[in-house]
Amino acid sequence: DTAVSQTPKYLVTQMGNDKSIKCEQNLGHDTMYWYKQDSKKFLKIMFSYNNKELIINETVPNRFSPKSPDKAHLNLHINSLELGDSAVYFCASSQLHPPGWDRWEAEAFFGQGTRLTVV
Amino acid sequence: KQEVTQIPAALSVPEGENLVLNCSFTDSAIYNLQWFRQDPGKGLTSLLLIQSSQREQTSGRLNASLDKSSGRSTLYIAASQPGDSATYLCAVAPYDQKLVFGQGTRLTINP
Repeated sequence: DTAVSQTPKYLVTQMGNDKSIKCEQNLGHDTMYWYKQDSKKFLKIMFSYNNKELIINETVPNRFSPKSPDKAHLNLHINSLELGDSAVYFCASSQLHPPGWDRWEAEAFFGQGTRLTVV
Repeated sequence: KQEVTQIPAALSVPEGENLVLNCSFTDSAIYNLQWFRQDPGKGLTSLLLIQSSQREQTSGRLNASLDKSSGRSTLYIAASQPGDSATYLCAVAPYDQKLVFGQGTRLTINP
């Protein structure tokens, strides 16, 4: 069984469209993330949810809206797609314990990525 | 602001050689450091996680070390094989777990 799965794997769409990427993890983790890998291969965090609550929101255009219906799912919705949104988007999950627990053991697991191409 | 640098950016070696990949980070206030492998068109596979209190971790032919005070980690690959060809990414985790990645080392093992 795939631990962190994303759909779709490839997404080609026109400028101005709205699209969603879905992510599911079956590891029982309480925290999920979205990362973006640009054309230069740099991975940068976009969002993080802990138990369905947004805890990290980097400087990302508000056209990007994450939604977490439950702690096993974190979807990414993108409105009014632009050419510059073309990238590979990765979902990840980890188990963060409350302060005082073994947060340093929080190993992150990544999905296979969604390659978004905006034309 | 945490910055992670990986050297070299690319490395090509003949099969069977032992090799070392380097990772350096600017802020030593980290909780752990993870090494990942990324194959073309695929996701990231976690290879090793070193807690901030640890000095090294081993998994098979892989050995990762961590010197937090100097802001350095190395990934040692023994007896390299063509299947080891991939991009290797180092990432450090601060308290909030916003992983900060290096740009990666693209490794090619020649048969």
